[in-house]
Amino acid sequence: QQPVQSPQAVILREGEDAVINCSSSKALYSVHWYRQKHGEAPVFLMILLKGGEQKGHDKISASFNEKKQQSSLYLTASQLSYSGTYFCGTEMGSSNTGKLIFGQGTTLQVKP
Amino acid sequence: GAGVSQSPRYKVAKRGQDVALRCDPISGHVSLFWYQQALGQGPEFLTYFQNEAQLDKSGLPSDRFFAERPEGSVSTLKIQRTQQEDSAVYLCASSARDSNTGELFFGEGSRLTVL
Repeated sequence: QQPVQSPQAVILREGEDAVINCSSSKALYSVHWYRQKHGEAPVFLMILLKGGEQKGHDKISASFNEKKQQSSLYLTASQLSYSGTYFCGTEMGSSNTGKLIFGQGTTLQVKP
Repeated sequence: GAGVSQSPRYKVAKRGQDVALRCDPISGHVSLFWYQQALGQGPEFLTYFQNEAQLDKSGLPSDRFFAERPEGSVSTLKIQRTQQEDSAVYLCASSARDSNTGELFFGEGSRLTVL
């Protein structure tokens, strides 16, 4: 039931791009993306509702393929501040309750 | 305060002791969630409240875990007779739940170490 994230870890140079994937075996209502820096609270990035929409936030965007039950997070022209662990959180059923099942995380390290 | 506040930030307990972890959500937020995060893992859902009603406690690992939110604001997660496997960071999150943004605002967590 837990979504599977890939890759587990990514190391980038500043300015490079990265893609983080999140796959579920269950039908999803929504996919949420959070970033957590070491010792800090997870911070909301964006939510995607079923319908295949794509969203963007500065140089970070995401897509949700409802048929494949997959979401991808795109980080373009990465900055040092992008370093951290990225979690996708999935919500099943038919309503937006906020009860999320998180993936195991993808650790992103951006080097100068 | 502006964000979700949790206390204590760090708690060391001897096996068998009872602990209580407090969460102060963002003022006015209707929904409150507790998650458990083991080292190197994603947060795992424990329970959630809408106002004072506990709508889902399916993630509580055993009957040693108990959560309450009696007045619909502050919440307490209590763990009785702690075991070593209870060692984790306990995250609290709140949400306005009156829009489609679905954003959860997390606190920094309470790190529990059971010796």
